[in-house]
Amino acid sequence: QVQLVQSGAEVKKPGASVKVSCRASGYACTDYYVHWVRQAPGQGLEWMGWINPKSGATNSAQKFQGRVTMTRDTSMCTAYMDLRSLRSDDTAVYYCARLNGLRAMDVWGQGTTVTVSS
Amino acid sequence: ILLTQSPDTLSLSPGERASLSCRATQSVISTYLAWYQQKPGQAPRLLIYGASSRASGIPDRFSGSGSETDFTLTISRLEPEDSAVYYCQHYGSSRYTFGQGTKLEIK
Repeated sequence: QVQLVQSGAEVKKPGASVKVSCRASGYACTDYYVHWVRQAPGQGLEWMGWINPKSGATNSAQKFQGRVTMTRDTSMCTAYMDLRSLRSDDTAVYYCARLNGLRAMDVWGQGTTVTVSS
Repeated sequence: ILLTQSPDTLSLSPGERASLSCRATQSVISTYLAWYQQKPGQAPRLLIYGASSRASGIPDRFSGSGSETDFTLTISRLEPEDSAVYYCQHYGSSRYTFGQGTKLEIK
């Protein structure tokens, strides 16, 4: 079935980097953009950016520009989100999601918890 | 463009009808307006896209409407499993924006 499977939970120290993976299966993975959305504890959803798996083009929210890198490995149908210079307020669940033709996120990964703590 | 959802919390009984509002600070393209349901400990689930089209597998108790700056998610005949946080989301000017969410409690 169509699904996105993310990598496991991470614990990082302030200033470190984290790389989260998102593996697609059950569909042609280069045909759909992959988005990244995060959710801090008890908070709402925050859009981070997207990657076009076919071309590798990316776009990120202004808040994360310069600190986030999104890449992909088409042979593995896997997208990656790398966030640098981590701070305590980066502690959140990070989701990847597939974008449908009308700019809605129709398939979501299970989420990856990233905890930033000294 | 900011999306403001109201109310913050809604408490209703099974069988009742819920109306959740999503208001944009300026007119948006309704084609790019979506609604999601999120239950505790779970990823969001797409309910409505294009302002009024139900996503695959979503019961017809869920409906979306609206245009320009005012959009509504209506849930008729509430069931206990509808207890969740509901978010609206919009795409515009290469950016994606979520509302702050409405928590729906079923008494």
